[in-house]
Amino acid sequence: DAGVIQSPRHEVTEMGQEVTLRCKPISGHDYLFWYRQTMMRGLELLIYFNNNVPIDDSGMPEDRFSAKMPNASFSTLKIQPSEPRDSAVYFCASSFSQGGTNQPQHFGDGTRLSIL
Amino acid sequence: DQQVKQNSPSLSVQEGRISILNCDYTNSMFDYFLWYKKYPAEGPTFLISISSIKDKNEDGRFTVFLNKSAKHLSLHIVPSQPGDSAVYFCAASARSQGNLIFGKGTKLSVKP
Repeated sequence: DAGVIQSPRHEVTEMGQEVTLRCKPISGHDYLFWYRQTMMRGLELLIYFNNNVPIDDSGMPEDRFSAKMPNASFSTLKIQPSEPRDSAVYFCASSFSQGGTNQPQHFGDGTRLSIL
Repeated sequence: DQQVKQNSPSLSVQEGRISILNCDYTNSMFDYFLWYKKYPAEGPTFLISISSIKDKNEDGRFTVFLNKSAKHLSLHIVPSQPGDSAVYFCAASARSQGNLIFGKGTKLSVKP
């Protein structure tokens, strides 16, 4: 079975440019999460969706960040305009709810973003 | 304010010995705890979990212990193997929430 698929794996762009990160969750999963990993702050949750609806975006650092989930099999995280401090590894994860109990999240391999 | 803390950034263990990774949490609403393993250039991989109604869960060489009164959990790997060398993340969630709170990780090195 295919896991969570993220693209691109690496992105290098100049400050001020728009960056779009993409994620395809595992089929059948109803939760989707976007995380950012940095040396200083570790793994931070940015936003998560349930059944394509954003539930908690309190981790989104600024208005420059936005995320969408137009359907159950696709999500994007957009940064516009990008800044050097946005450089990090961005992970997407998905999980499914089962009888109201928590299930493990499954992660993609991440997008390493470098803003010059 | 970190709700999930892994106070040891790194741990070195000899092959065949036991590895013990520790994690502390502050939020008493957490009722589900997980350990993830992460290799370089890959995403975290789910390893083992435990519900707050249990105090131990075992899966092969991996055992997670939960001490609710101390708000502490630990991961035991016995015997440790060189392939276990990775960064291990502890994570926690509350039933009322869908998200996980992660610790900052412990880098385990298992030496042959």
